[in-house]
Amino acid sequence: DAKTTQPNSMESNEEEPVHLPCNHSTISGTDYIHWYRQLPSQGPEYVIHGLTSNVNNRMASLAIAEDRKSSTLILHRATLRDAAVYYCILRDPNQAGTALIFGKGTTLSVSS
Amino acid sequence: GAVVSQHPSRVICKSGTSVKIECRSLDFQATTMFWYRQFPKQSLMLMATSNEGSKATYEQGVEKDKFLINHASLTLSTLTVTSAHPEDSSFYICSTGGGSGYNYGYTFGSGTRLTVV
Repeated sequence: DAKTTQPNSMESNEEEPVHLPCNHSTISGTDYIHWYRQLPSQGPEYVIHGLTSNVNNRMASLAIAEDRKSSTLILHRATLRDAAVYYCILRDPNQAGTALIFGKGTTLSVSS
Repeated sequence: GAVVSQHPSRVICKSGTSVKIECRSLDFQATTMFWYRQFPKQSLMLMATSNEGSKATYEQGVEKDKFLINHASLTLSTLTVTSAHPEDSSFYICSTGGGSGYNYGYTFGSGTRLTVV
C-alpha cells in the first residue's frame, strides 16, 4: 500500500472548521483515499472516501488535490465529539480480501 | 451500513489462562474478517486475516499457536489468546470488509480491552 503522511496532532476550538491534511505523493491511479477515525476506546469508524473529485457527506468533506498527491479532510464545525485519531489510508479496490493498514494518524483535540 | 458486534468489551484474566474474543457480523455474511491489536498511544497493527472455512493468515511476528483464530461461520470469527501473559494486555479489534470494488467498506467492532494480571 502506498504511504500516507499526516501531522501527529492538531488542535481546534468547538464550532470552528478543521482541515486535516494528508500527503500521499506515491498514490497510484487506482488507489482510493479513505478516512477513518477512532474515538477513545472505540474501534475505528468510516468517515469518507474518494478517488478524484471532492466528496461531501453528513460527517465531513474530502478535498482532493488535482494531482491526487494530497487530500484534506474538512470538518465544517468541530464538536467535542470529534476529538479522535483520524487516519488517512489508501486502498486499491482491486485488492479484494485485504485489510486496511493504519499509519499513525492525526490526533485531533477540540476545546470548548 | 454493516454492524459488527465484538464481545466482551473488557476482560481481565490471570496469567496463564486463555481468553476468547468474539466478533459477530450482525447483518451480512462476512467471508473475511480481520483482527488487529493496539497498544496504548499506538496505531492499529494487523494481526491476522480470518477466512470462513479455512485457516487464518497471520502477519509476520504473530504467533499462530498463541492467537488462535476460528472462523467457522459467515457471521462469527473468534480470537483466543492462549496462555496469556501481561505483555498480551492490549486492545483487540476486529473488522469485516475488504471486498472488491470501489464501494466496499470496512466495519470495525468496538474493541476488547484485555488486561492480564
